Amino acid sequence: KNEVEQSPQNLTAQEGEFITINCSYSVGISALHWLQQHPGGGIVSLFMLSSGKKKHGRLIATINIQEKHSSLHITASHPRDSAVYICAVSGNSGGSNYKLTFGKGTLLTVNP
Amino acid sequence: NAGVTQTPKFQVLKTGQSMTLQCAQDMNHNSMYWYRQDPGMGLRLIYYSASEGTTDKGEVPNGYNVSRLNKREFSLRLESAAPSQTSVYFCASTPGYGYTFGSGTRLTVV
Repeated sequence: KNEVEQSPQNLTAQEGEFITINCSYSVGISALHWLQQHPGGGIVSLFMLSSGKKKHGRLIATINIQEKHSSLHITASHPRDSAVYICAVSGNSGGSNYKLTFGKGTLLTVNP
Repeated sequence: NAGVTQTPKFQVLKTGQSMTLQCAQDMNHNSMYWYRQDPGMGLRLIYYSASEGTTDKGEVPNGYNVSRLNKREFSLRLESAAPSQTSVYFCASTPGYGYTFGSGTRLTVV
């Protein structure tokens, strides 16, 4: 069983729709990360969370530490939001080890 | 622009050839990582360097070696490339909060 599970694997939406991508993890973590990767492109860090909620523009990320669950929301979705969204966790082993464990990603397609 | 620079962006190798993937960051980050990305597998850690002068194996280290040349540079070497090493390779760095990724190297081994 993967330590980081994302759902759904694929998501198709119409422009303007509210989108939610979910991430569950099974290990103790120091932080959870949401990343974005456009087709054929590099990886961009969107959020790093250890508790609560963060917002950046139309993107909102939440985390529930007790339930080991995080969600990424996109409000008023736009075709340029089409990308793979990846959830990753960094461990709580302490020291200077911040290596990430990744989910397999959610492919989002937003149609005009 | 500050960030993580990877070279080359694309490479085709024949089975058995060797090559080094270069990675450099100019953000004074202590920790650097090499990941590979394969369809359906997600990103997996090959090797990492928690600080200058140290390197450690990750999840899939076989067939690779690394060098943390200085605080800026962390290279990944394939001594004898195999078709199973066909992948997209990403270098990343962090100061301990937030990550910066390179743009990736698409490697094909034929």
